[in-house]
Amino acid sequence: SAVISQKPSRDICQRGTSLTIQCQVDSQVTMMFWYRQQPGQSLTLIATANQGSEATYESGFVIDKFPISRPNLTFSTLTVSNMSPEDSSIYLCSGDRGREAFFGQGTRLTVV
Amino acid sequence: EDQVTQSPEALRLQEGESSSLNCSYTVSGLRGLFWYRQDPGKGPEFLFTLYSAGEEKEKERLKATLTKKESFLHITAPKPEDSATYLCAVQAVDNFNKFYFGSGTKLNVKP
Repeated sequence: SAVISQKPSRDICQRGTSLTIQCQVDSQVTMMFWYRQQPGQSLTLIATANQGSEATYESGFVIDKFPISRPNLTFSTLTVSNMSPEDSSIYLCSGDRGREAFFGQGTRLTVV
Repeated sequence: EDQVTQSPEALRLQEGESSSLNCSYTVSGLRGLFWYRQDPGKGPEFLFTLYSAGEEKEKERLKATLTKKESFLHITAPKPEDSATYLCAVQAVDNFNKFYFGSGTKLNVKP
């Protein structure tokens, strides 16, 4: 199994600021994804992080709000920009080696 | 449109009372169906992947089965530590970049 480390594990941020979440996988993965999980709900895919190129965003998510980087096969970052209270959520990084997807422990973000 | 529906939304069991969780899916072509366990405040923990109808997998008190339209997660003689939210997700053959997640079943096992 791959191990995915995500940090920070939680943060409380002021509205209007930005937070960058880091995701490190202990071995190479084919795909990396970023999800959002709002309280009591299931996971919603934000984007696929592509190595060396722009991320592929799902409907309702845009690069200006959620810029993503993936400089190599084991590392990615997600930035939540110009935050508002509606961005309060758990953000999860996932790595996929084709047969299963592994998840980090998540970043619990609270925007005040 | 590809989608995943889980039922029930919540399930309360007494310790030792066996039951099943359901995951119904609609996908153009199934590449894989995944079951995860999620504890409060944590990321999903991988349990099983099923690839074809008739396939079964077991792990301790859990057994997952798959048909062409749905999957069941059978829990035999559950213990309080089995309490968690169980998530189902599918990957489609023509878009295996994406996992489509169900809304989950919140299981509470009382001693």
